Amino acid sequence: DAGITQSPRYKITETGRQVTLMCHQTWSHSYMFWYRQDLGHGLRLIYYSAAADITDKGEVPDGYVVSRSKTENFPLTLESATRSQTSVYFCASTPGQGTEAFFGQGTRLTVV
Amino acid sequence: DAKTTQPPSMDCAEGRAANLPCNHSTISGNEYVYWYRQIHSQGPQYIIHGLKNNETNEMASLIITEDRKSSTLILPHATLRDTAVYYCIVRVAHSAGNMLTFGGGTRLMVKP
Repeated sequence: DAGITQSPRYKITETGRQVTLMCHQTWSHSYMFWYRQDLGHGLRLIYYSAAADITDKGEVPDGYVVSRSKTENFPLTLESATRSQTSVYFCASTPGQGTEAFFGQGTRLTVV
Repeated sequence: DAKTTQPPSMDCAEGRAANLPCNHSTISGNEYVYWYRQIHSQGPQYIIHGLKNNETNEMASLIITEDRKSSTLILPHATLRDTAVYYCIVRVAHSAGNMLTFGGGTRLMVKP
């Protein structure tokens, strides 16, 4: 199916475990983003990528790692999950040039 | 990117026009005004964007003042499904990373 998909949709993990959230887009968009949204708050940028093998930090990158070996995939890894990383994570993509961004449906992560 | 100010919440009667204001008094000449909305638990959805002129699409109209220091998003005939948080974002069309910076937004409640 065309679009941007995130997996899993829901995840519960324990403190200290490593967990990877997946994001896949079928449009070959150059730019991809990871945001987190805490309950009752707006979205904050974690990391972004302008192209394969090019990534950069956003507003709240600590505790997260990203990679972009292929244009269509942009996984987000929490190397050692903490309770403060309990949040809803949204992935987005855009072809760039000031066009609209498309968001995935989100992954709800709970760290216990 | 310029900072925006929006009222935290608004109500609108179903079938009436919803007018959502946004203040962006520090906007630069090359910054666009974007509007996104987020329906409960879903990823943000693009609505419309503009630079100087008023814009209209199938979802909404965007009215930008002549000095560009404020704008209004108009949903001409609001329905219950328009209940959402609406985000006004200003950014340079070709900014590095092309990322969106979200503020608190306006929570629009459409009532029967």
